[in-house]
Amino acid sequence: EVQLVESGGGLVQPGGSLRLSCAASGFTFSSNWMSWVRQAPGRGLEWVANIWQDEGEKYYVDSVRGRFTISRDNAKNSLYLQMNSLRAEDTAVYYCAREPMGEAGSLFDYWGQGTLVSVSS
Amino acid sequence: EIVMIQSPATLSVSPGERATLSCRASQSVSSNLAWYQHRPGQAPRLLVHGASTRATGIPARFSGSGSGTEFTLTISSLQSEDFAVYYCQQYNNWPWTFGQGTKVEIK
Repeated sequence: EVQLVESGGGLVQPGGSLRLSCAASGFTFSSNWMSWVRQAPGRGLEWVANIWQDEGEKYYVDSVRGRFTISRDNAKNSLYLQMNSLRAEDTAVYYCAREPMGEAGSLFDYWGQGTLVSVSS
Repeated sequence: EIVMIQSPATLSVSPGERATLSCRASQSVSSNLAWYQHRPGQAPRLLVHGASTRATGIPARFSGSGSGTEFTLTISSLQSEDFAVYYCQQYNNWPWTFGQGTKVEIK
């Protein structure tokens, strides 16, 4: 059974940093693109970033590029999101999501339960 | 960026009735359209990809249709567990974008 479990969320002040983790199990982690998707309070879903199998390719939504860094450790079956220079508008539940193989674009076939990031003074 | 517009924002339906949800893209996304179900406090669940292909384990009462810019998700006979928020998402053009969601509530 595919499982994705996020951790690392919490309350942080504007300008601060936080590192999210996602522990994956139940599939060959190194075979899939992986993404982070977020949902701000009362808002819809927003794709944030994704990463290729061997970290050779990484992509970010414009609003986080230069502040967030996605990474992975295939030996530990783990996905990470380093978030720096956090802003109030980054407040959201952050989901780790797996991308199925064989698609030209990014969709998400398994998701974690999410971890809440609150940016406030 | 492709903008995805879902309608209605809220749909009130009685159990056993049919629900029809719409999703419109600001430009063609071909058939690269997915639908997700999101219940409060749970992980989102992929329902449909390729506009009309049900994901693994998804009941036959869920069906997707459309191509280009107009898409529909139909739930043929609503069950209690189907009351949730539904999102469409295009994966034809980067950045990947979602609609704002349709909440299906009990009438």
